[in-house]
Amino acid sequence: QVQLVQSGAEVKKPGASVKVSCKASGYTFTGYYMHWVRQAPGQGLEWMGWINPNSGGTNYAQKFQGRVTMTRDTSISTAYMELSRLRSDDTAVYYCARDRSIVGANNGMDVWGQGTTVTVSS
Amino acid sequence: DIQMTQSPSSLSASVGDRVTITCRASQSISSYLNWYQQKPGKAPKLLIYAASSLQSGVPSRFSGSGSGTDFTLTISSLQPEDFATYYCQQSYSTPHSFGQGTKLEIK
Repeated sequence: QVQLVQSGAEVKKPGASVKVSCKASGYTFTGYYMHWVRQAPGQGLEWMGWINPNSGGTNYAQKFQGRVTMTRDTSISTAYMELSRLRSDDTAVYYCARDRSIVGANNGMDVWGQGTTVTVSS
Repeated sequence: DIQMTQSPSSLSASVGDRVTITCRASQSISSYLNWYQQKPGKAPKLLIYAASSLQSGVPSRFSGSGSGTDFTLTISSLQPEDFATYYCQQSYSTPHSFGQGTKLEIK
């Protein structure tokens, strides 16, 4: 079945970096854009950006420009999201989510990972 | 950036009720509007895409409508499993912003 499995919870100190992985299975990894979304405790959803797993092209929300890097390894069908210079307000659950359509990155997100909790604390 | 505003922020209703949630965009987004359901501790689930298209496997009591700046999600007859938080999201332009959410609670 189609699924996304994310890496485990992380605890980081302010100023550090975190890299979250998202392993895809059950579909052609390079055929669908991958989005990253985060959710701070008790808060709403925040879109961070997408990566085209075929080309490696990315589109980041301006808010995260310069701090976020999305990459992929097509040989193992895995996408990555790295966030640097972590602050306490980066504490959140981070989700990867597949775009619904093989055409473009603006069709809604139909398959989600289970989420990775990142805690930033000194 | 496009701002998405949902109303109400919270809603109390009973099983069997018809419920409508509204989402307004700060500028026209054509039909690039998606709705998600999220239960506590779980990832969001896509319900409606392109404003009115029902995602595969989603019960037909869910429906969406609208275009331009004003959109609605309707649940025709609430079931116990529908009590959750609902989010709209625009995918017209990046960043693909979400509304603040509507928490649907049992009356």
